[in-house]
Amino acid sequence: GAVVSQHPSWVICKSGTSVKIECRSLDFQATTMFWYRQFPKQSLMLMATSNEGSKATYEQGVEKDKFLINHASLTLSTLTVTSAHPEDSSFYICSAFPGLAEGFTDTQYFGPGTRLTVL
Amino acid sequence: AQSVTQPDIHITVSEGASLELRCNYSYGATPYLFWYVQSPGQGLQLLLKYFSGDTLVQGIKGFEAEFKRSQSSFNLRKPSVHWSDAAEYFCAVGAGTGTASKLTFGTGTRLQVTL
Repeated sequence: GAVVSQHPSWVICKSGTSVKIECRSLDFQATTMFWYRQFPKQSLMLMATSNEGSKATYEQGVEKDKFLINHASLTLSTLTVTSAHPEDSSFYICSAFPGLAEGFTDTQYFGPGTRLTVL
Repeated sequence: AQSVTQPDIHITVSEGASLELRCNYSYGATPYLFWYVQSPGQGLQLLLKYFSGDTLVQGIKGFEAEFKRSQSSFNLRKPSVHWSDAAEYFCAVGAGTGTASKLTFGTGTRLQVTL
């Protein structure tokens, strides 16, 4: 149990295009989902917190117009990198929180990440 | 603001040897503390967590960690390392109330295991 998937696992795009990354909780409903960014050999940095049916809360310094987050259902959140540029190249990781759902620990479960390369 | 320091970027141990990964945190209130392991192609996996109670926490895969408030530390230990333990290890502190609190991660420690 507690599987979180991300799609795609890696993507290469041209500068100026937009890229959408999906995060799905496969066997539980996620009241909250988080999006992180990880640079090579560095830590995970929280970008935003996403609650189903409401606007995402962005961390300081994260451009909300560039990183669009949509939490359309209790099992799906999407991150769209708009007008991507090479400096947006990174490893994007989502996590999902099941709340007090039976059979799950009340912690975040992480997806495998998406490697974005912008040419 | 909370912060986490993992002073060791890279550690190499022999298989069968004991392991200790260091983690120091800074947080004004009682922290929620976590250790995660990250393997290539896989998501972060929770090894163990501390919320309250017994300061010695047992986790999966034979790992344990001890919360020491006086030292602001939450070091991860394993008595005998296996080659499959080679991975990146992250310590994290949760801020705010509840277990869905936002996590602040350390920079990670890469563990290499020699045979």
